[in-house]
Amino acid sequence: AQSVTQPDIHITVSEGASLELRCNYSYGATPYLFWYVQSPGQGLQLLLKYFSGDTLVQGIKGFEAEFKRSQSSFNLRKPSVHWSDAAEYFCAVGARASKIIFGSGTRLSIRP
Amino acid sequence: EAGVVQSPRYKIIEKKQPVAFWCNPISGHNTLYWYRQNLGQGPELLIRYENEEAVDDSQLPKDRFSAERLKGVDSTLKIQPAELGDSAVYLCASSLVDIFSEQYFGPGTRLTVT
Repeated sequence: AQSVTQPDIHITVSEGASLELRCNYSYGATPYLFWYVQSPGQGLQLLLKYFSGDTLVQGIKGFEAEFKRSQSSFNLRKPSVHWSDAAEYFCAVGARASKIIFGSGTRLSIRP
Repeated sequence: EAGVVQSPRYKIIEKKQPVAFWCNPISGHNTLYWYRQNLGQGPELLIRYENEEAVDDSQLPKDRFSAERLKGVDSTLKIQPAELGDSAVYLCASSLVDIFSEQYFGPGTRLTVT
C-alpha cells in the first residue's frame, strides 16, 4: 500500500536561513509526488509536482524538490526562507488510476 | 478567476444532528473532491466526482455520509447523524481534468460536533 511519511512534525528556522523538509514514500511503482502548502485559514496550494524526467523540480515561491528513487524520498528545499513561508507543508504521493495520499504535514515556523 | 467556494466556513452542531456542506468548484473543472482533514493530519479523500459520476467513494462512510453533484457543478456533502468523531475540517477541491491535474482547494468548513 502506498504511504507518505513526513518525519518532522514542527520545524523552526531563522529568516534567511535555508530549509529542507523531509518526505519519504512507499509505493511499488514510480509514484507521482507533490508538495502542497497550507497557510492558516487557507486552502492547500500546490508548490510543485514530479511525474517523470528531471529529478530536480522547481516550484513556485522559490521552492524546489528532488526525487531520489534509491532513498524513496522527495525532500522540499528553499535556499532562503521568508517570514511569509510560515505554514503547514504536505507531501503527497499518487499514481495513475489511484488516489493521492497526503502525509501528516510539517509545520514551519520562522524565527525573526 | 474565482477560486473554490465553500460554505459555511464554520459549523457547530450537537451530536446526532444533521449537517451539510456546500462547494462550488472553479468554473470548467470537471473533477471535484471532498476531503476530511483531522487535526494534525493531512487531508484524506472521501469522494471524487468526474462530472456527475462518483468515481471513487471507497473512503466515504456510507452509513452516515452522502454526497451529490447535480449537473456536474456544485456539490453537497451531508452527514446524518453527526458523531463526535466527525469533528474535522472538510475540504473541497477541483481540478480541470483528472486526479493529476493541479487540484485547487477551497478554504474548508470547520465542523465541531459537541
